[in-house]
Amino acid sequence: DTAVSQTPKYLVTQMGNDKSIKCEQNLGHDTMYWYKQDSKKFLKIMFSYNNKELIINETVPNRFSPKSPDKAHLNLHINSLELGDSAVYFCASSQRGRAVTGELFFGEGSRLTVL
Amino acid sequence: AQSVTQLDSQVPVFEEAPVELRCNYSSSVSVYLFWYVQYPNQGLQLLLKYLSGSTLVKGINGFEAEFNKSQTSFHLRKPSVHISDTAEYFCAVTRDTNAGKSTFGDGTTLTVKP
Repeated sequence: DTAVSQTPKYLVTQMGNDKSIKCEQNLGHDTMYWYKQDSKKFLKIMFSYNNKELIINETVPNRFSPKSPDKAHLNLHINSLELGDSAVYFCASSQRGRAVTGELFFGEGSRLTVL
Repeated sequence: AQSVTQLDSQVPVFEEAPVELRCNYSSSVSVYLFWYVQYPNQGLQLLLKYLSGSTLVKGINGFEAEFNKSQTSFHLRKPSVHISDTAEYFCAVTRDTNAGKSTFGDGTTLTVKP
């Protein structure tokens, strides 16, 4: 039973298109994240939601818009895709608060290729 | 602010040899430290973590790491590696678990050769 699942696993699209990636976690965590991993494997946090509230919003173009309908789901919508958006996008979850470990649980990633 | 430096971008070793992957961090406050492993075409999974207590931490797959506060390091070690340990390894720090933001190093590619 997958703990953090994201769909689709692969996305190939043309520049200028709009695309969405969905993420769901069944761990009962209250915090979810989007990370971007580029071709050099560098990982950068993009967004974080805690109980549907945006708590981390790194310097990310406005074309990227996260949405959290409930604490188990965090979606990422990208408008007007550019070549530089090609990357692997990872969803992750954790439990915030005192006396917890802060360990992140990652999905398997969504590889986005913009042509 | 916190930062993480993984000192080696690539580490090639032969099977059954020992390995050490180095990680230094900087932070003005106490941090929690993690090592994650990423196998090809997969997400990251936790190898081990240091929160408090004993500075030697044991993780999965025979890995261990030692927290050294004076040297602000958290190096990962394994006494004898297998081909299956070939993967990307990430060191990460979290200033406190309530903050919800982990900072990752740039990763170390461990390649185990037969």
